[in-house]
Amino acid sequence: DSGVTQTPKHLITATGQRVTLRCSPRSGDLSVYWYQQSLDQGLQFLIQYYNGEERAKGNILERFSAQQFPDLHSELNLSSLELGDSALYFCASSAQGNQETQYFGPGTRLLVL
Amino acid sequence: TQLLEQSPQFLSIQEGENLTVYCNSSSVFSSLQWYRQEPGEGPVLLVTVVTGGEVKKLKRLTFQFGDARKDSSLHITAAQPGDTGLYLCAGASSGTYKYIFGTGTRLKVLA
Repeated sequence: DSGVTQTPKHLITATGQRVTLRCSPRSGDLSVYWYQQSLDQGLQFLIQYYNGEERAKGNILERFSAQQFPDLHSELNLSSLELGDSALYFCASSAQGNQETQYFGPGTRLLVL
Repeated sequence: TQLLEQSPQFLSIQEGENLTVYCNSSSVFSSLQWYRQEPGEGPVLLVTVVTGGEVKKLKRLTFQFGDARKDSSLHITAAQPGDTGLYLCAGASSGTYKYIFGTGTRLKVLA
C-alpha cells in the first residue's frame, strides 16, 4: 500500500459526459501528479501540482483539467468524453515535487461507451 | 522531445534464465527510477539511481546508471515467475520538472 488513494476504482460512462477523478496523496506529500495509461500508449504524464499550484504540464488535453485543493487532495476533471479517453488514470504523490520518488495510487479505470 | 526508449519491448523467458533490460535517452537525467507494474495496479518503485556509473543491487536485480547519466540497465539473475510484470524506467531530465516514463518492457517468466 503506497498511501495514495484514488476514487472511484472503476467508472463507466457515455461519450460526451463529464467525470471527476479524485486523489489523496500520501500524508506529508505536497506534490501530486496525474498520468494516463492506455493499452497502446504507455504511461503518459498529464499534469503536476505542488502545494496547490500547477508546476508542470504534459500531454493534457484541453477537455481535461485538474486542481489541487488546500488540503492537498487533487481532482482530475475529464469532459466531453470520447471513446479514446478509456484508460487507467493514475495519481502519484511525492514529498516536494523536485524529481524525487513518486508513489502511485491504485488507479481509476475509466471506460467510455 | 525527451524520450526514454526501453528494449526489449517484450521478453518471454524460462525460469532460471538471466535477462537485461535497457533504458536509453539522448538527454541527461539527474536521476532515474525503475518501477515494476502488475496488471491493473500502479507502478511500484524498485530503485533510484543518481550518480553516473552507480550500481545498485536489490536481491537478484542489479541496476546500473550510465557514466553520462543518459542510460540505465536492469539485470535480473535467475528469473522467477514472480518477476513477471511491466518494467518501466522513468525520470526528469536535468532542469525540468517534467517526469517521463520509458516505453516499458513486458516480462513474462515461465515456470
